Amino acid sequence: DAGVIQSPRHEVTEMGQEVTLRCKPISGHNSLFWYRQTMMRGLELLIYFNNNVPIDDSGMPEDRFSAKMPNASFSTLKIQPSEPRDSAVYFCASSPRVQRKNEKLFFGSGTQLSVL
Amino acid sequence: AQSVAQPEDQVNVAEGNPLTVKCTYSVSGNPYLFWYVQYPNRGLQFLLKYITGDNLVKGSYGFEAEFNKSQTSFHLKKPSALVSDSALYFCAVRDTYSGAGSYQLTFGKGTKLSVIP
Repeated sequence: DAGVIQSPRHEVTEMGQEVTLRCKPISGHNSLFWYRQTMMRGLELLIYFNNNVPIDDSGMPEDRFSAKMPNASFSTLKIQPSEPRDSAVYFCASSPRVQRKNEKLFFGSGTQLSVL
Repeated sequence: AQSVAQPEDQVNVAEGNPLTVKCTYSVSGNPYLFWYVQYPNRGLQFLLKYITGDNLVKGSYGFEAEFNKSQTSFHLKKPSALVSDSALYFCAVRDTYSGAGSYQLTFGKGTKLSVIP
């Protein structure tokens, strides 16, 4: 298995532009998570899905952020309009069926977002 | 509410010496505890977890962690450090009282481990 695949690896954009980050979870995993990592705030959970349904989006910072999971093999995180303070590394992670014995996250390599 | 603290931003250790990376937690119920490692320009990788049972948990790459309920700690340890262990280490906690369907993992800020040759 190729693991969790994120694209693009790097994104540089100008303030006000729309940014779309993409994620392909590991096949068979039914939970998907979006995290944001910054030096100041560390690793923050933005939203997670279970069986393609958003379960908790309380970590989404503003209405400018939205996430979708149209099917079990694809998710997007969109920022519109983007702002310089959105600059961070965005990670997608997936997990198999959430049971105690196999509870762990598999992370993608992240998208480094720079908003100028 | 759940929280986790990693009191050291950086830990330096000589190659071959034992290493400890500290973690303390706070939860309302019983904790599920995790350690993840992040190498440069990579995502986090799972190292080990404590769910229940034996307080000493063994994980990948020779790492282990000890769950101490009275001290609310889950320190990561390794008997003999390797230069290749140099990375960013994250402790994470989930409260078993999080509620049905909840999977809120809270991560610490991370500890940078540098193993000096």
